[in-house]
Amino acid sequence: IAGITQAPTSQILAAGRRMTLRCTQDMRHNAMYWYRQDLGLGLRLIHYSNTAGTTGKGEVPDGYSVSRANTDDFPLTLASAVPSQTSVYFCASSEILGREQFFGPGTRLTVL
Amino acid sequence: QQQVKQSPQSLIVQKGGIPIINCAYENTAFDYFPWYQQFPGKGPALLIAIRPDVSEKKEGRFTISFNKSAKQFSLHIMDSQPGDSATYFCAASRRRALTFGSGTRLQVQP
Repeated sequence: IAGITQAPTSQILAAGRRMTLRCTQDMRHNAMYWYRQDLGLGLRLIHYSNTAGTTGKGEVPDGYSVSRANTDDFPLTLASAVPSQTSVYFCASSEILGREQFFGPGTRLTVL
Repeated sequence: QQQVKQSPQSLIVQKGGIPIINCAYENTAFDYFPWYQQFPGKGPALLIAIRPDVSEKKEGRFTISFNKSAKQFSLHIMDSQPGDSATYFCAASRRRALTFGSGTRLQVQP
């Protein structure tokens, strides 16, 4: 059982480029989340999805978009990357919204 | 607005010591309070969680103490080991995504 997989593991991106971070879970969890982790700021919620077909904004949604076409996949898109989006991005999932969350291994993104 | 405040930012203890990490929250509607452990280069992993109707919960060497009236909760690690060296995050939620504290970097010296 893989749990949550994220791709790519790391990426260096030029400012202004479009980028999609992929997240797939095999636990059939209803809820999925995207967080960014920055030193001294902990994990901050970007977007979440309670179930397939629905999404919601988190604490820091600007510059990011998500979609939830099915239960397993929850991609995060940066339409036009900026240096302030340099961070480590974690995808997570849970059976019930806001309860026990399982995290993926993360994607380290650098925007130059 | 930081809804969950965590302290200290970093902590160094000797092997066998009992590190204590504290968190305070503002939203009285929160009804789920987990602690996560994160090793370098890895995603956070759930360690232990508590509901507000319980004042204490133990799982192995890890204990959560919860004070509803003070809106505070803390993590105690009994008989700490060098392998416990990691970053610990408290969090809180109310049927929505978790709100995390800023993290505590724990170092347990041999």
